[in-house]
Order: sequence, then structure tokens, then C-alpha cells
Amino acid sequence: GAVVSQHPSRVICKSGTSVKIECRSLDFQATTMFWYRQFPKQSLMLMATSNEGSKATYEQGVEKDKFLINHASLTLSTLTVTSAHPEDSSFYICSARDSGTGDTGELFFGEGSRLTVL
Amino acid sequence: GQNIDQPTEMTATEGAIVQINCTYQTSGFNGLFWYQQHAGEAPTFLSYNVLDGLEEKGRFSSFLSRSKGYSYLLLKELQMKDSASYLCAVLDSNYQLIWGAGTKLIIKP
Repeated sequence: GAVVSQHPSRVICKSGTSVKIECRSLDFQATTMFWYRQFPKQSLMLMATSNEGSKATYEQGVEKDKFLINHASLTLSTLTVTSAHPEDSSFYICSARDSGTGDTGELFFGEGSRLTVL
Repeated sequence: GQNIDQPTEMTATEGAIVQINCTYQTSGFNGLFWYQQHAGEAPTFLSYNVLDGLEEKGRFSSFLSRSKGYSYLLLKELQMKDSASYLCAVLDSNYQLIWGAGTKLIIKP
């Protein structure tokens, strides 16, 4: 199947710093990528939908100025957690769908990034 | 509101069969996904159903009834490695994925 690479897999940072997480589709083009957050023992929560060449669409309750999303190419989306605080510590996962499969194609997930803010 | 219900936890024996149910109430329907997630890892795709009926893929099968808002994931010949959480997700009318909380499946020898 198609591969989505997410980096870094683990990151520890100090409170107040910013962290960037990359999500790349390695062998397909993705017009749309999705960013999720998962707290321990809870399901995935969609944070935002990243659209290539345009602004991301954020879910209710997600601060767009805190979670900056950039989707500059058909194979790369980045999520930047700005001025991170301990409550931002979570597992962040990206997913992407092959642009050629439409809205109902299989979603491919990155490996996830575990962020710990001290 | 939109809602997806699935059992929180299930236990089954190695070699047996287990059925994980999922009921949903969403604004529109464009398909239902099942994903498997091992602890600390990203989910992996298992199945996608958009038409009523049973889809079989090896040891795993998924069933959908749109009129009842109901799906199940059937796992046969259970193996210890099947111990994981199983997530049901529905694509609504806006093509947004609505996720269930997941069912933690525990396999015992």
C-alpha cells in the first residue's frame, strides 16, 4: 500500500518553544491531508484538514494560531505547535488520501509523533 | 448530533471468532471504515464498506446495513497479535470522518 512518512516520531521540548511535525506522502500525491490528535486511552480527534495551496480547515475548538498548518506541495504538510505547553503533550497523527481515489479512497496514516512538553 | 457506538472492551480466546459491533447516527453517509490500532502506533486500514453486505478479506470480514446504521467486524482464527483496538469510522455527508472511541480486544491463550 501507499506510504505516509511522519517525522519526528518522538520529540521532547521545553514549554514555550515551537515544534514542527512533517507529514509526507512518499509514493502518491495528496491534495488533502488530515491532522489528528490522540490523548491516552481516547480515540482520534480530527484537528484540521490540510489543503494543498490553500488555508487549512480547523475543527471547532482547535486554535489555528497555535497549530499552524502548511501544505505547500502535493506530498508535504507540516504541523507547527507554537509556544507549546504541557497540555499540548499528545500523540499527533497525520493521514492522507491518494488524490486519484476521490473522497472515499483508503486513508493512509503516518507513524505518529509523540510530543512531550516539559 | 453525530454518534458512533462500539463496545469499550472485549475478550476472546486464541483460535476463536469474535464480532465487534458498531452502530452509527451521522449526518449523511459515504462509507464506513474499520481500522486496527496497536498501542502507541498509528491506525492501519482494515476495510471500507459503502454498500450493504459482507466484505471478506482473509481472516477479517466487515458487514454493513445502512438501513439499520449498523456494521460489524468479524475476526476469525484469532491470533495473539490481533490484540489491539479496533476503530469504527463513518464518512459523513461532508466527507468528514467521524470516529468511534474504539474497542479494545484482548486475546487470551
